[in-house]
Amino acid sequence: GQQVMQIPQYQHVQEGEDFTTYCNSSTTLSNIQWYKQRPGGHPVFLIQLVKSGEVKKQKRLTFQFGEAKKNSSLHITATQTTDVGTYFCAGPPPSGSARQLTFGSGTQLTVLP
Amino acid sequence: KAGVTQTPRYLIKTRGQQVTLSCSPISGHRSVSWYQQTPGQGLQFLFEYFSETQRNKGNFPGRFSGRQFSNSRSEMNVSTLELGDSALYLCASSSGGLTNSPLHFGNGTRLTVT
Repeated sequence: GQQVMQIPQYQHVQEGEDFTTYCNSSTTLSNIQWYKQRPGGHPVFLIQLVKSGEVKKQKRLTFQFGEAKKNSSLHITATQTTDVGTYFCAGPPPSGSARQLTFGSGTQLTVLP
Repeated sequence: KAGVTQTPRYLIKTRGQQVTLSCSPISGHRSVSWYQQTPGQGLQFLFEYFSETQRNKGNFPGRFSGRQFSNSRSEMNVSTLELGDSALYLCASSSGGLTNSPLHFGNGTRLTVT
């Protein structure tokens, strides 16, 4: 079945440093979504990318969707303590419901003050 | 607009028992999906309901079931609980149309099986 791999599993950074997490799918994705889960919380939708090569920015966060629509990345510039949490990428199956997402294993970000 | 509401927040059950979890979606959302989150397996799709019909089902045994009511509220049931069923169960609602509408998750129900 479809697999979504995410690296690294953990990342510790000093506040102000940059952070990047990478996501790779075993199948071509119609779209890729990113979610953030704070410690003790629930996943919160960040963004959806649909087009090949798409780049979207949200303040200090930059999301990219690969040309082949099989990989994606999330880059955070100048991390802050509020960025702490686990970042998940997720994609729908090649056929079937868009709500049946396959989630990556997540990258747990720790920001040291 | 109120978010997704899940009850109860915490549950402790014994092996062999059954449990029912409840989810109220965002008003106007007709799709409710259920996910299981564990440290070992991560977030895994259980099933999706739309207009009272199960649309999709993940790779879980038949002990896991669900239903959706006419007001879009959903319940999931796990029978004959096993230790491995201990997890955070997350409900997510979306508008559920043909477009790829994002998932809005509830706070989850933390189930512990002893």
